Amino acid sequence: NAGVTQTPKFRVLKTGQSMTLLCAQDMNHEYMYWYRQDPGMGLRLIHYSVGEGTTAKGEVPDGYNVSRLKKQNFLLGLESAAPSQTSVYFCASRKWGPSSYEQYFGPGTRLTVT
Amino acid sequence: TQLLEQSPQFLSIQEGENLTVYCNSSSVFSSLQWYRQEPGEGPVLLVTVVTGGEVKKLKRLTFQFGDARKDSSLHITAAQPGDTGLYLCAGKGNYQLIWGAGTKLIIKP
Repeated sequence: NAGVTQTPKFRVLKTGQSMTLLCAQDMNHEYMYWYRQDPGMGLRLIHYSVGEGTTAKGEVPDGYNVSRLKKQNFLLGLESAAPSQTSVYFCASRKWGPSSYEQYFGPGTRLTVT
Repeated sequence: TQLLEQSPQFLSIQEGENLTVYCNSSSVFSSLQWYRQEPGEGPVLLVTVVTGGEVKKLKRLTFQFGDARKDSSLHITAAQPGDTGLYLCAGKGNYQLIWGAGTKLIIKP
């Protein structure tokens, strides 16, 4: 089992460019999450999905879009990157169930927008 | 809005010392988790506490959930350099976790 994988690991964008971050999990988890992590601010939820074909906004969704076309994949898109989106992005997943709140994280993508 | 505040934000101590990290809220949580994150990696779950007053031990780490389920603490006995990392608490919300900002812990040999 690879768990949760993220691609790419590093990326540098210029302001206004677009990109897509890919998250894949092989644990058959229903729920998937995208977070950003900035110094001193912990993890902030961008978007999440409770199942294939469904997505919902988190705490900081502006400037991002997501898609969950397949259960194992969760894509995060930046249509027009801004320097404020410089951050480390983490994807996480968890299985369905009221008592199953453990989230499994990928290794992160470090994004710099210049 | 549910919030979790962690203290201290940063702690640097010598190997062998004891320490306590706190996670506080004005809201009640049905359960609370502690994660550890090492540089360049994602957070990894250490423990989940569910019952008010619950105490769980993981080797030299002791986790406690407050009686009112509004706060939690992590105590490390005889800290070792391998304990270095970012410690995050997270409370159960609807479909998602409510995260604290983390405590960055450095244990010097």
